[in-house]
This record gives sequence, structure tokens and C-alpha cells, in this order.
Amino acid sequence: DTAVSQTPKYLVTQMGNDKSIKCEQNLGHDTMYWYKQDSKKFLKIMFSYNNKELIINETVPNRFSPKSPDKAHLNLHINSLELGDSAVYFCASSLGMGAVTQYFGPGTRLLVL
Amino acid sequence: QQPVQSPQAVILREGEDAVINCSSSKALYSVHWYRQKHGEAPVFLMILLKGGEQKGHDKISASFNEKKQQSSLYLTASQLSYSGTYFCGTPTGGNTGKLIFGQGTTLQVKP
Repeated sequence: DTAVSQTPKYLVTQMGNDKSIKCEQNLGHDTMYWYKQDSKKFLKIMFSYNNKELIINETVPNRFSPKSPDKAHLNLHINSLELGDSAVYFCASSLGMGAVTQYFGPGTRLLVL
Repeated sequence: QQPVQSPQAVILREGEDAVINCSSSKALYSVHWYRQKHGEAPVFLMILLKGGEQKGHDKISASFNEKKQQSSLYLTASQLSYSGTYFCGTPTGGNTGKLIFGQGTTLQVKP
């Protein structure tokens, strides 16, 4: 039973393309996050949603747009992909916000050529 | 604002001990520790909520010194399975769940 799942696991695409990454959690959590991990392993929060409401919106290019159709799903759409977008994108979820455990998905490895 | 971890990397033999430190220039209200094995997702280890709190699981424990704005992770009698990158995370932005992670400490345990 996968707790937090992401699709696709790997994504190789050309510069300028638009792509989406999907995330689903079956833990009954109400808060979901997107993180970006670069080649130096730096793990940085991008967005979070709580019960479909946008809570955290970090300084990321507006080419990145999250969408939460319900509290179990959080998708990330990226327009006009650039070389610098190459990274591993992790989805995570938690029960509530604050000092709580975050459960990470397996990651989506995005390579922009 | 990002917490600073030290050392950046550690190489150990099985059975040896290691300490990973995490310090912040801002007041800390809690510290979260995660481990990420190569090619995998970060996995939660523990949260320390109060100054002076110490926690442990198996042979991995941590302490939190609120006044010194730092936390330490102790790995005792390390096993091969302990290899990976360890991250501390500190909350910021109020009660939003926003964590700022340190740059990570890579631990390699050799037989």
C-alpha cells in the first residue's frame, strides 16, 4: 500500500515543453506539499495546500502552477520548461500543519534537455 | 535562515559512532530530522519540540538545545543501513508546516 505516490517517476523532455506531475496520498492527510531537490541535494519547499487551499507559495517562477482538486491530490504543472528546472520533485503530505511529520513520495526525476 | 549542518560528510566503519549537528541563527521552536537514502525519498526520523528534549529510536537519538539554537543527531554503533544523507529541518512562517532544511550531511558506513 503506497502512502504517497507520484507519477511519472521519470520525465525527460525538451526545453519549452509543458509537463505535469501528479501526486496522490491515501493517508487521510489534509495538507500536501511540493518540494524541489536540486543536484546538490538542497531540498526546498515550493507550495503547500491544506484542504485544497493554497497555504505556502514560495518565490518560484509563475511557470509553476499547483492544483489541488481534493485533499488527497496535488498536481504540479510546469509551463515552458527550462534547463534549470531539472531536479527531483517530491510531493509530501501531513496531518495538519505545524510541527508534524511529513511523508514524502518517491519523487519525480525531471530532466530538461 | 537555512539551518547549517556539520559536518558536510562523514565516513565511518560499522560499529563506530557519529554526531551530526544542526544550528540556526534564528530562534528554534522545533527541529525535524529526516534521512534520505540514495535515490529514495526523505524519511522522517524524529521531531524535537522542546528545548532540552531528547529522543531516540533504536541507536539513533537526538537532542535539542533551544538556548543555543541547535540540535544534534547521535548515531551509535552505526550499521550499513545508516548510510544516507541526513537533513535537519526547522519550521518557519508560523503554523504553516513550512520547513527549511539544512544542506544535508552525507553519512557513509563501510563494512
